[in-house]
Amino acid sequence: DAGVTQSPTHLIKTRGQQVTLRCSPKSGHDTVSWYQQALGQGPQFIFQYYEEEERQRGNFPDRFSGHQFPNYSSELNVNALLLGDSALYLCASSSITSPDTQYFGPGTRLTVL
Amino acid sequence: GESVGLHLPTLSVQEGDNSIINCAYSNSASDYFIWYKQESGKGPQFIIDIRSNMDKRQGQRVTVLLNKTVKHLSLQIAATQPGDSAVYFCAETPDTPLVFGKGTRLSVIA
Repeated sequence: DAGVTQSPTHLIKTRGQQVTLRCSPKSGHDTVSWYQQALGQGPQFIFQYYEEEERQRGNFPDRFSGHQFPNYSSELNVNALLLGDSALYLCASSSITSPDTQYFGPGTRLTVL
Repeated sequence: GESVGLHLPTLSVQEGDNSIINCAYSNSASDYFIWYKQESGKGPQFIIDIRSNMDKRQGQRVTVLLNKTVKHLSLQIAATQPGDSAVYFCAETPDTPLVFGKGTRLSVIA
């Protein structure tokens, strides 16, 4: 049973560029949440997708956007990258019947130079 | 200067001893709590959860205690092993999304 997978593992971008991160949920899960984890901090909620729509959103600017596909996989897009966007981006999947029981992927480490 | 967030509380225990990691949560409306373990360079790993209608829940070598009166959560690890070394986060939710605490670094001394 495959767990949550994310790609790429690491990414280096420069300020002003755009980035797309990808996530495949755990088998049987239909809900995907994205989190940003700065060094030494706990994860911060960005948004959650279910049935290809954004279900909830945290306190992140519109530069952060997402998408969910019919196969439940998801993408996180960040435009106009800032140095402060450097972080570990985590994807978590869950079932809509138990949306709080979230299982995390290994994350994508984004470095903005 | 350095970010305060970089200085995680640290708990050092001898291998074989029991560990207790504490967490104060913020929202009295939270009704579901999860403990996660995060090893260096990896995503958080689900350890154990508890709902607010319970005071205690046990798993394999782990026990979570919930005190709603003082909004306190604890994770007890029995017979701590070197592989338990990691950062531990508690997370709460009255509804999605999860809200994470600052984390505690557990260091196991062999």
